[in-house]
Amino acid sequence: NAGVTQTPKFRILKIGQSMTLQCAQDMNHNYMYWYRQDPGMGLKLIYYSVGAGITDKGEVPNGYNVSRSTTEDFPLRLELAAPSQTSVYFCASSYFRDTYNSPLHFGNGTRLTVT
Amino acid sequence: GNSVTQMEGPVTLSEEAFLTINCTYTATGYPSLFWYVQYPGEGLQLLLKATKADDKGSNKGFEATYRKETTSFHLEKGSVQVSDSAVYFCAPLEGGSEKLVFGKGTKLTVNP
Repeated sequence: NAGVTQTPKFRILKIGQSMTLQCAQDMNHNYMYWYRQDPGMGLKLIYYSVGAGITDKGEVPNGYNVSRSTTEDFPLRLELAAPSQTSVYFCASSYFRDTYNSPLHFGNGTRLTVT
Repeated sequence: GNSVTQMEGPVTLSEEAFLTINCTYTATGYPSLFWYVQYPGEGLQLLLKATKADDKGSNKGFEATYRKETTSFHLEKGSVQVSDSAVYFCAPLEGGSEKLVFGKGTKLTVNP
């Protein structure tokens, strides 16, 4: 019963490098989300997806890209890492659009440092 | 759109103390309201929720009542335990939206 799995758990990048944060869920959830959590701040929505092949921007999409080729996977791509992208990244999923009756399930996060 | 204001932390209490974490929100309609909790090293998980005025959400000894007149959803627990040490997030969800808006989080530390 894995739930939402994020890899890697930690990563240090140099400015200008690129990387992909992986997220996979095994609950057959339609909705998936990427959030970032900066110190002392709430979570900010980066991108979300309502199903395979469909993605949309959240509050802070600049500098990121996503794809959703399967129901299970929702990778987040950083093309040119910048220090402002130093953060903890959380992937989440839910089954229904109605998040009240279908609460978000979160992964354990990826801590990214860009230096 | 929605916004939410949470009590600034950190909050440090002794075991068995009473806990209140304030949360107020702004919304164009009547949002559903949630509290999520993040234990050390983990992702967030749902703690409790309420969908309409005067609803009380409860779980693990925590309670919060949906107060439409004050647009608040304060989290309370009568007797905290060391295991309650975590970061607590208030989050409104506007009707018809897929997107929760999270507060900044309030870190709670409970000492034995």
